[in-house]
Amino acid sequence: DSGVTQTPKHLITATGQRVTLRCSPRSGDLSVYWYQQSLDQGLQFLIQYYNGEERAKGNILERFSAQQFPDLHSELNLSSLELGDSALYFCASSVVPGATGELFFGEGSRLTVL
Amino acid sequence: DAKTTQPNSMESNEEEPVHLPCNHSTISGTDYIHWYRQLPSQGPEYVIHGLTSNVNNRMASLAIAEDRKSSTLILHRATLRDAAVYYCILRDVGDDKIIFGKGTRLHILP
Repeated sequence: DSGVTQTPKHLITATGQRVTLRCSPRSGDLSVYWYQQSLDQGLQFLIQYYNGEERAKGNILERFSAQQFPDLHSELNLSSLELGDSALYFCASSVVPGATGELFFGEGSRLTVL
Repeated sequence: DAKTTQPNSMESNEEEPVHLPCNHSTISGTDYIHWYRQLPSQGPEYVIHGLTSNVNNRMASLAIAEDRKSSTLILHRATLRDAAVYYCILRDVGDDKIIFGKGTRLHILP
């Protein structure tokens, strides 16, 4: 158990819909990262937050948005869903950003868009 | 894009050592070398990291070439539970984008 909690574990929805994925980082971790993992793309970095502020952005679509709240939990919002958005979405946390910090990953949220 | 190159897959026998290579020829002086692994149906987990010197922990050893252009993750005695995708990544001081490549899928033969 990494200490990172992601909900929901599974989600099935239809094209055009909007979903919200939630991540609770490990106690004391200030930094949250979001990744998308689909079969043909591997782990894709989406976005990173530190103590409520966006710190780094990867290949995140405009239809996707995220935020980190004062209690440090984070949400990833996916809208106008397409079939290609079906993937595993992982959240990771670390104490602080930086080159030596260990990332702790949650078990992921599996999104299926029909 | 990932700054590392790893073989797509490797095979090893159970209870034997495994050496997983990683090339990072464009590594900068401030890049740390990190290894993660992803077991089936799980999120990635941290294995080990280093800067210049070889490192050991309870999971594995990391051997870093003198010129730092390559490194090797060593599992001293592979078990079936070590079957996973192993990712070698570089993390620069001040760079918060942590980019994973495709990794090496390690198969362990009983």
